[in-house]
Amino acid sequence: EVQLLESGGVLVQPGGSLRLSCAASGFTFGDYAMSWVRQAPGKGLEWVSTIHGPGTATFYADSVKGRFTISRDNSKNTLYLQMNSLTAGDTAVYYCAKNQGHPLENWHFDYWGQGTLVTVSS
Amino acid sequence: QSVLTQPPSVSGAPGQRVTISCTGSSSNIGANYDVHWYQQLPGTAPKVLIFDSNNRPSGVPDRFSGSKSGTSASLAITGLQAGDEADYYCQSYDSSLSGYVFGTGTKVTVL
Repeated sequence: EVQLLESGGVLVQPGGSLRLSCAASGFTFGDYAMSWVRQAPGKGLEWVSTIHGPGTATFYADSVKGRFTISRDNSKNTLYLQMNSLTAGDTAVYYCAKNQGHPLENWHFDYWGQGTLVTVSS
Repeated sequence: QSVLTQPPSVSGAPGQRVTISCTGSSSNIGANYDVHWYQQLPGTAPKVLIFDSNNRPSGVPDRFSGSKSGTSASLAITGLQAGDEADYYCQSYDSSLSGYVFGTGTKVTVL
């Protein structure tokens, strides 16, 4: 059974940094691209970032490019999101999701974690 | 601001059929990228309902179906049930943004 468990969400001040983690199990982690998707309170879904299986290629939404860094440790079956220069606009539940499909333009998110809440406020 | 537009809400009586539209453009749906649909029940994470425009994962009832034409896609729910009350999102890829995009979301209410 595929399981994705996010952690690291907390209350952080504007301008601060935070690292989210997502522990994966139930599939061969290194064989799949992984993504972060966020949802602001009461709002819709927003794709944040994706990383290829080997970790050699990464993609970011314009809203986070230059501030967020996605990475993975395939030996630990763990996905990360380093978030810097946080603003109130980054307040959201952050979901870790497994990618599926081919080619990458047709990828969808076939499994999701339960999410972790990041609140940016002074 | 999402590039995929959905109606904010749709409603129907139990047993009825409802459809949710997802309108895009030539840089996403119109570029022949697949459309995927997700169901988000209250207080839970999204779950994939339809992938690659018209395929259902195992376990998803055949009451749910997807279609795509031109720059738009649709999700149809037949035999509407109380348990279908949820938010529904379409998703595709946008070549102008070089990234994945979600629709604005539609809340389905069972009357």
